[in-house]
Amino acid sequence: GDSVTQMEGPVTLSEEAFLTINCTYTATGYPSLFWYVQYPGEGLQLLLKATKADDKGSNKGFEATYRKETTSFHLEKGSVQVSDSAVYFCALGGSYIPTFGRGTSLIVHP
Amino acid sequence: SQTIHQWPATLVQPVGSPLSLECTVEGTSNPNLYWYRQAAGRGLQLLFYSVGIGQISSEVPQNLSASRPQDRQFILSSKKLLLSDSGFYLCAWSVSGQGANSNQPQHFGDGTRLSIL
Repeated sequence: GDSVTQMEGPVTLSEEAFLTINCTYTATGYPSLFWYVQYPGEGLQLLLKATKADDKGSNKGFEATYRKETTSFHLEKGSVQVSDSAVYFCALGGSYIPTFGRGTSLIVHP
Repeated sequence: SQTIHQWPATLVQPVGSPLSLECTVEGTSNPNLYWYRQAAGRGLQLLFYSVGIGQISSEVPQNLSASRPQDRQFILSSKKLLLSDSGFYLCAWSVSGQGANSNQPQHFGDGTRLSIL
């Protein structure tokens, strides 16, 4: 079945550091890929998405590229801020039920 | 625009008491609806989903149940809560229609923090 694997957290960075959160997937067909962000005490919010191979999703300085050859969708940001501290979930779309990774906690220190 | 409302935001209940959490969606018709639970420091566990009124699919056997009495209303219930039911409960919706779903994101409510004493 479909699955999503995210790097274990927490990821701890200093402000303005470069961020990469790895995400790999296994899937049948060609689902869309998503990154969601969850701030403390809140629900998940869609951060970005990509619908086909080589698509790059971007939002709020975050980027991720749909790599079919490596079945990956790594999240990157060039310069993180304290306000980016949150849990990040990688997910792939399904006909009714998406598949989520376990989430990666990001902690950014001033 | 579409909005999702979930309440209450927090709830403290004794073991053995009943539960009713409500979720409503506005601004869309015939959405797919979902209930998730998130234990502390853990990922999302899908509990139930619904593709239409009265249609409920259960993903995990447990003492919880769900109902969809109206098109945009989704209710999570229990007759007797267990300690293990504590957690953060999230309702979500997505655009309906098989095939189209794989390209559509989910939209989440703000969640209900449930503590069982």
